[in-house]
Amino acid sequence: DTAVSQTPKYLVTQMGNDKSIKCEQNLGHDTMYWYKQDSKKFLKIMFSYNNKELIINETVPNRFSPKSPDKAHLNLHINSLELGDSAVYFCASSQGVGGNEQYFGPGTRLTVT
Amino acid sequence: SQQGEEDPQALSIQEGENATMNCSYKTSINNLQWYRQNSGRGLVHLILIRSNEREKHSGRLRVTLDTSKKSSSLLITASRAADTASYFCATLEYGNKLVFGAGTILRVKS
Repeated sequence: DTAVSQTPKYLVTQMGNDKSIKCEQNLGHDTMYWYKQDSKKFLKIMFSYNNKELIINETVPNRFSPKSPDKAHLNLHINSLELGDSAVYFCASSQGVGGNEQYFGPGTRLTVT
Repeated sequence: SQQGEEDPQALSIQEGENATMNCSYKTSINNLQWYRQNSGRGLVHLILIRSNEREKHSGRLRVTLDTSKKSSSLLITASRAADTASYFCATLEYGNKLVFGAGTILRVKS
């Protein structure tokens, strides 16, 4: 039974397109995150939601818009995709904020051509 | 910002040997966590050590924390081929952000 799931696993698209990545967790956690991992494996937080409220909003282009319809779901919509957006995007969840262990999804590999 | 920095960047050992990875960080921490990432997979939480703890064990894993030196080490004993993965340390930064280091790539040869 998958704890944190993401769809799609792979996403290949052209520059200028708009795409969405979906994330769902069945752990009953109240906090969810989006991370971006670049080609050098650096993992950087983008957004975090706690009880559907945005609590972390890193310096990312406003082409990226997260949306949390409920505590179990956190989606990421990306407008006007650029080559530099190519990366692996990970969703994660935890119970509470403040450095509790996080559970990661399998990742979505986004390739922009 | 990058809080934790792992050392070495890559490590290659024989099955059965021990593997030690180090992590240094810059600011005061509440806790430090270690994660493993297998190729093409998401990160898996291994162990969390709090700032008032000096050592913690979990199975074949041993983590130490030296807050005076702002460093931590992860020891994997009796390594197996299945331990081949990237290992990341992570610390909590101001604003409740978990900041990850660049990782150590461990290869265990059978």
